Formats: sequence, structure tokens, C-alpha cells
Amino acid sequence: KQEVTQIPAALSVPEGENLVLNCSFTDSAIYNLQWFRQDPGKGLTSLLLIQSSQREQTSGRLNASLDKSSGRSTLYIAASQPGDSATYLCAVINSGYALNFGKGTSLLVTP
Amino acid sequence: NAGVTQTPKFQVLKTGQSMTLQCAQDMNHNSMYWYRQDPGMGLRLIYYSASEGTTDKGEVPNGYNVSRLNKREFSLRLESAAPSQTSVYFCASSEALARANYGYTFGSGTRLTVV
Repeated sequence: KQEVTQIPAALSVPEGENLVLNCSFTDSAIYNLQWFRQDPGKGLTSLLLIQSSQREQTSGRLNASLDKSSGRSTLYIAASQPGDSATYLCAVINSGYALNFGKGTSLLVTP
Repeated sequence: NAGVTQTPKFQVLKTGQSMTLQCAQDMNHNSMYWYRQDPGMGLRLIYYSASEGTTDKGEVPNGYNVSRLNKREFSLRLESAAPSQTSVYFCASSEALARANYGYTFGSGTRLTVV
């Protein structure tokens, strides 16, 4: 069974810092990996989708990388802002049907 | 820009009551899913529907039933609610089941409390 781990579980940084969120998975035979953002009491918003054949994806201040062979992905957030405060979830899909989620990293960006 | 719409957004049930959670998507996606999210457990798949007319169990199906009414709609039914079913329920959809290369879109959730 695919296991997805996100480190750290919680992170607090001052505004303006660049930061990295980590995601690791045990089964490297994935089709794609998706990063989501979840605000308190809200649903999941898709941030970036990386296909298995890709190494990275970028959207604005966000950059996600994928290293299938080592079972790792990182989400890089540049010049963090208080509005970036949220929980960030990593999810992978293998040959089956379900997204396998990590438990998330709770990010707080302080002014 | 509706995407995936879930109703209701909040619900309180008494133990033993039944209810149906509704989900509809307007993206012409083939596959739809129901997840539950619990503190410390993350998101877990309850049921999914690969395509219209098919449904299959996920990781935690006990106590639930589903209906894929048509391509747009996928409902989740609790026949006899239990306190252990207190959770936040999310519906999601994707372009295709196998090799879902287009990612998943989630609804905003239904917050269910069973007392």
C-alpha cells in the first residue's frame, strides 16, 4: 500500500522567506503527483499537477519538483506572504483509482 | 465556474437517522469519488465511480452506499448514521480513472456531525 509522508507537519515562517515543503512516497510507480492547498474549514484547491514523466511544474511563486526514483517531491514557495497560510497536501496516484494523500503540512506565515 | 458542487454544506444528524449527500460536477468528467477527512487520519476514499453505471468500494466503505445517478451526479447515502461517521465529506471528479493525468477537482465539502 502506498504510504505518503509530509514533513514537517507544521511550519511557521516570517513573511518574505522562501520555504520548502517535503513529500515522500513509498511506491515509486506513480502516474502523477498533485499538490493541494486547504484553508481552514474549506475544500481542496489544486496548486500543481506533475505527470510521472515530468521533473517539475511552476505556477507563479510556486515550484514543485518530482524525483520518482527516490520517491520524493518538494513544493517550493518563494517570497512567502501571510495569505499563503494554509495546509498543503501532497497526493499521488498509482495504477489504481485513488489519490493517496499525505497528512499535510500546516503553514503559518507571520507578518 | 462551478466545478464540483456539494450539498448540503453542514448537517447534524441523530444516531440512526439516514441522509444523502449530493454531488454534481459540470466538467464532463468520467470518474467521481467520495472521500472523508478526519483529524490525524488525512483523506480516505469511501467509494468511487470509474464511469457512469459503475461504482466500487474504497478504503472505508462500511456504513455507506453510493449511486451514480448519471454522468454528472454521484450521491453518498448513510443508511443509519453513527457517531463514528462524524467527519468532513468531500466529493471529487477526474477526467478518467486509469492514469488520471489531468488531476482531480474537489468540492467544498459537507461537514457532518452525528450526535
